[in-house]
Amino acid sequence: DTAVSQTPKYLVTQMGNDKSIKCEQNLGHDTMYWYKQDSKKFLKIMFSYNNKELIINETVPNRFSPKSPDKAHLNLHINSLELGDSAVYFCASSQAGWPTIYFGEGSWLTVV
Amino acid sequence: DQQVKQNSPSLSVQEGRISILNCDYTNSMFDYFLWYKKYPAEGPTFLISISSIKDKNEDGRFTVFLNKSAKHLSLHIVPSQPGDSAVYFCAALTQGGSEKLVFGKGTKLTVNP
Repeated sequence: DTAVSQTPKYLVTQMGNDKSIKCEQNLGHDTMYWYKQDSKKFLKIMFSYNNKELIINETVPNRFSPKSPDKAHLNLHINSLELGDSAVYFCASSQAGWPTIYFGEGSWLTVV
Repeated sequence: DQQVKQNSPSLSVQEGRISILNCDYTNSMFDYFLWYKKYPAEGPTFLISISSIKDKNEDGRFTVFLNKSAKHLSLHIVPSQPGDSAVYFCAALTQGGSEKLVFGKGTKLTVNP
């Protein structure tokens, strides 16, 4: 049983396309996140949601739009993909008040 | 601005010896620190953590030491095993704040048989 699962794992797409990455957690956590690991290997937070409400929104282009239909899901939609969006995107979750977060396996996005 | 720094991009040790991974931070508001381990093509997995009220936390072969005055923490793995070969990320946050984990760049540990 995968605790935090995200799909697709690998995605190759052309510039200008719109794509979505889905994430689900079965840990019963009420906080979910999207992190990005860029070519320099830094893991940086993009968004966090608590019980479907956006609580952290870092400086991310508004082409990136997270959607949380319920507290177990946090999807990431990216419009008008650019070459610089190529990265690994990690979904994660945690229980509010607990600092440990649990990551999914990552989605490798390549924009060509 | 890098608030969490792991200045060694890589470390190589012999099986059975001690591995010491270092991490420095600049933000004095950080009060909780975590180590994550990452294998290729997988997500980071939580390894061990320490609160700023402690200076040491031990879990089996893994021990984390915190020196608040130096804003420095280290992860000791002893004895090191080939399966420990991975990238280790140091992370920090301010509890009661935005709960935003700030990560270092990672150190790639290779344990040679």
